[in-house]
Amino acid sequence: VHLSDSGGDLRQPGGSLRLSCAASGFTFTTFAMSWVRQAPGKGLEWVSSVTGSGRFTYYADSVKGRFSISRDNSKNTVYLQMDSLRADDTAIYFCAKGSGITGDFDYWGQGTLVTVSS
Amino acid sequence: DIQMTQSPSPLSASVGDRVSITCRTNQSISTYLNWYQQKPGKAPKPLIFSASSLQSGAPSRFSGSGSGTDFTLTISSLQPEDFATYYCQQSFGTPFTFGQGTKLDIK
Repeated sequence: VHLSDSGGDLRQPGGSLRLSCAASGFTFTTFAMSWVRQAPGKGLEWVSSVTGSGRFTYYADSVKGRFSISRDNSKNTVYLQMDSLRADDTAIYFCAKGSGITGDFDYWGQGTLVTVSS
Repeated sequence: DIQMTQSPSPLSASVGDRVSITCRTNQSISTYLNWYQQKPGKAPKPLIFSASSLQSGAPSRFSGSGSGTDFTLTISSLQPEDFATYYCQQSFGTPFTFGQGTKLDIK
């Protein structure tokens, strides 16, 4: 199993960014995928999850209405579209694979840094 | 939302010590409790799922116990590579929440 997250960059407040996570080594459509973030020097915060089919999505209140998770099962890739970015969205964003239970994160990407600053 | 409280934080110990970290939730989550280890600059690494199931590849000196609202991660004999930050996390329901982390450092 390998997860490679990418797309992190510097954006101004109010800007947009799309993160990607390319997956390999497992049957992608079978498992939920999630994004978890970590602000500098802080703990872990779950952001969003999507089921294997892509039919159902879940969000933390802190990002609901601003972020959108999706997946392209033909490309084994999950995305996080981030709009209306705020300074407190600054963090390393990790994609994570669910083990069978959506919230059991058994494999993680290396992380991609999003910085929101003017 | 389910609140997670870890203790102690931080924790100082020596190589060879037996240490335990506790995680308490504000409502029952059965055994939907996971433990992760994180080292600086790295992604979290899963150790324990479902309160007591050792993740494939995790050393057998790690063990987990508990159900309901009280859970424990135990390291039977600390090794130098175990000095890291440990997080508990509930997978009972969204939002999936993490404890604040317990930094385990060398005494």
